[in-house]
Amino acid sequence: DIQVTQSPSSLSASVGDRVTITCRASQGISNKLAWYQQKPGKVPKLLVYAASTLQSGVPSRFSGSGSGTDFTLTISSLQPEDVATYSCQKYDAAPWTFGQGTKVEI
Amino acid sequence: QVQLQQSGPGLVKPSQTLSLTCAISGDSVSSNSVAWNWIRQSPSRGLEWLGRTFYRSQWYHDYAVSMKGRITINPDTSKNQFSLQLNSVTPEDTAWYYCARDRGSYYPFDYWGQGTLVTVSS
Repeated sequence: DIQVTQSPSSLSASVGDRVTITCRASQGISNKLAWYQQKPGKVPKLLVYAASTLQSGVPSRFSGSGSGTDFTLTISSLQPEDVATYSCQKYDAAPWTFGQGTKVEI
Repeated sequence: QVQLQQSGPGLVKPSQTLSLTCAISGDSVSSNSVAWNWIRQSPSRGLEWLGRTFYRSQWYHDYAVSMKGRITINPDTSKNQFSLQLNSVTPEDTAWYYCARDRGSYYPFDYWGQGTLVTVSS
C-alpha cells in the first residue's frame, strides 16, 4: 500500500505568518491528494482536492501544490481561526490513506 | 445540501459487534456516481479508512485489508442509509467513527457525518 508521510507533526506560528505543511507519498499518486482541516472537537472539513483545487467557500489564503509524490499546503497569512489539525489524504486507489496530521497553533 | 446523520451506541463490550447507521439526506445511497464510506479516528492510529459501499448497476464493497473478516458495510435503500458492522471488537477499536461521501473513485470525502465516539469496554 502507498503510504503518506506528513510533516511537521506540529508547528507554532504568529498571526500573519506564512505556514507550509508537506505531504510525501511513497509512490506517485498523480494529483490525487486532498487536504482536510479539523478544528478541535469538529469533523474534518475538505479544504483542497486534486492537489491544488480549493473546495468551495475555502478562503484564498489557503493553497495547495504538488504532483507525483510531493505536496504542499500553504496558509499565506495565518489567522486565529486557522488553529486546527491539517491532514492530507491520497485517493488515487484503495486503500485511501491519510497522513498523521499537523497541529497548527498560534 | 447533503447531510449525513449517524446513529448507534457509544459503548460496546469486548468481543461484541459494533453497529452504526448513517442516514442520508440530499442524495441517494443508490446513486451511480458516489460512494459511501466509513472512517475512524483515534489518537494512536489517526484517520483510518475502513471501507465503502457503492452502486454501479450492482452493489460493490471495498474494505481495508486490516478490517477484512470483521467488517460489513451494507446499504439500506428503503431508508436511504448505510450501516457499519464491526465484529469481535477489542479496546483497540475505540475511536471516533465517521460516515462520509465521496463523488467517485477519484474524489476525496466531501461530506461527513457528525461522528460517533465508540468506546469498547466491559
